[in-house]
Amino acid sequence: DAKTTQPNSMESNEEEPVHLPCNHSTISGTDYIHWYRQLPSQGPEYVIHGLTSNVNNRMASLAIAEDRKSSTLILHRATLRDAAVYYCILGSSNTGKLIFGQGTTLQVKP
Amino acid sequence: DSGVTQTPKHLITATGQRVTLRCSPRSGDLSVYWYQQSLDQGLQFLIQYYNGEERAKGNILERFSAQQFPDLHSELNLSSLELGDSALYFCASSPRGNGNTEAFFGQGTRLTVV
Repeated sequence: DAKTTQPNSMESNEEEPVHLPCNHSTISGTDYIHWYRQLPSQGPEYVIHGLTSNVNNRMASLAIAEDRKSSTLILHRATLRDAAVYYCILGSSNTGKLIFGQGTTLQVKP
Repeated sequence: DSGVTQTPKHLITATGQRVTLRCSPRSGDLSVYWYQQSLDQGLQFLIQYYNGEERAKGNILERFSAQQFPDLHSELNLSSLELGDSALYFCASSPRGNGNTEAFFGQGTRLTVV
């Protein structure tokens, strides 16, 4: 299973944009890039996913490098409720199984 | 609310015992995944089912087994329980069980083995 590398923690100020990086240099051509987040004592929550092109949804944007070896999750205006552990995961195209790494703990300061 | 229901929410049992965790996927979702989350191991993928058949296997112990029933609900059976099996167990479901769909996670079952 291809692995991802993320910083252990990041800090942001409320109402400012946040860019969460992820490296996945061993990604295969058919792996999808997924982002999930987990708040304390809750199950992981889907944020966004993509294959090659940049993606936008109501929660965030996903910027994927041209060589697909890295990606960035962009939260346009962080709120206190965005404080969570963010996981960058490669989803197998066949099974969709998600192999979670350690993730990035995002702290949002008021 | 993700639409995925896990029961029970909490379970306390003794070492050596056997328990069954239940998961009801979102309506229409064909695939179910099981994950274990402990403090020192993070979220570990255990097993995936798609429309009743096993599709992918992760680090699932031989003492653990799972199945998906014709109504698509799933059960995870944990036997000969050890203290180290204490963890949060999450179930997730997805419509097509492939990489191009999102997975919806339940709130988990917290298992404590004493």
